[in-house]
Amino acid sequence: DVKVTQSSRYLVKRTGEKVFLECVQDMDHENMFWYRQDPGLGLRLIYFSYDVKMKEKGDIPEGYSVSREKKERFSLILESASTNQTSMYLCASSFRGTNEKLFFGSGTQLSVL
Amino acid sequence: GEDVEQSLFLSVREGDSSVINCTYTDSSSTYLYWYKQEPGAGLQLLTYIFSNMDMKQDQRLTVLLNKKDKHLSLRIADTQTGDSAIYFCAEGVGATNKLIFGTGTLLAVQP
Repeated sequence: DVKVTQSSRYLVKRTGEKVFLECVQDMDHENMFWYRQDPGLGLRLIYFSYDVKMKEKGDIPEGYSVSREKKERFSLILESASTNQTSMYLCASSFRGTNEKLFFGSGTQLSVL
Repeated sequence: GEDVEQSLFLSVREGDSSVINCTYTDSSSTYLYWYKQEPGAGLQLLTYIFSNMDMKQDQRLTVLLNKKDKHLSLRIADTQTGDSAIYFCAEGVGATNKLIFGTGTLLAVQP
C-alpha cells in the first residue's frame, strides 16, 4: 500500500522557534510537494522538489525553506516560526510526468503560540 | 497568475444529486482534477478529466468540462452521508504538472 508519512499529526511551537516538518514516501516518487491548507484559502503550494537536492519555490515560499537530501524524504523548515504560520501542512508526492497522481500525507496541524 | 475558485459550502439531502462547481484561469491546463478530503485525512484523488474531453463518468461521479468558459463541475448522484467531505478542484499547469488547488467546497449531506 502506498504511503506518504508525515512525522507529526499535531505540533505546538513558540514564536521564534525553528521548526522541522518531515515527510517520507515509500513509492520511489521523484516529485515531492509541501502545501499549507487554511480555511477559505484552499491549498497553497509552498515549495516542491522534482529530484534529490532540487527545489523550486511555490506560490508562498516566504518564511520557509526545504531540504531534499534523499529521494524519499522532503523536509519543510520554518527558520523562525510566527503566529501566521499556524496552519495545516500537507505533504504530497508523485512520479515525474504529466497527469501523475498526487499522493498526500495525513497532514501536520501546526500551532505557533 | 493561475487561480481556481469554488463556492465554500453545499448542503444536500441524502439521495439527492450534488453539483460542485469550479472555475479556473489557466487555459493551457492539460488535466483537471477533483480531490476529496475526509475529516482528519489528507486528500485523495477522486477523478480527473483531460482538457480535450467534455464529460467523464465514473459510477456515481460525472465530471463536466466547459473549456470555453473555463468551468468544471462534479456531479455526485444519489449522495450518501459518507460523501460528506471537502472537495477540491485542481488544475495541472506547466511541464511539471504542478497542481493549483481551489479553495475547497464543504459538502454536508443531511440524512
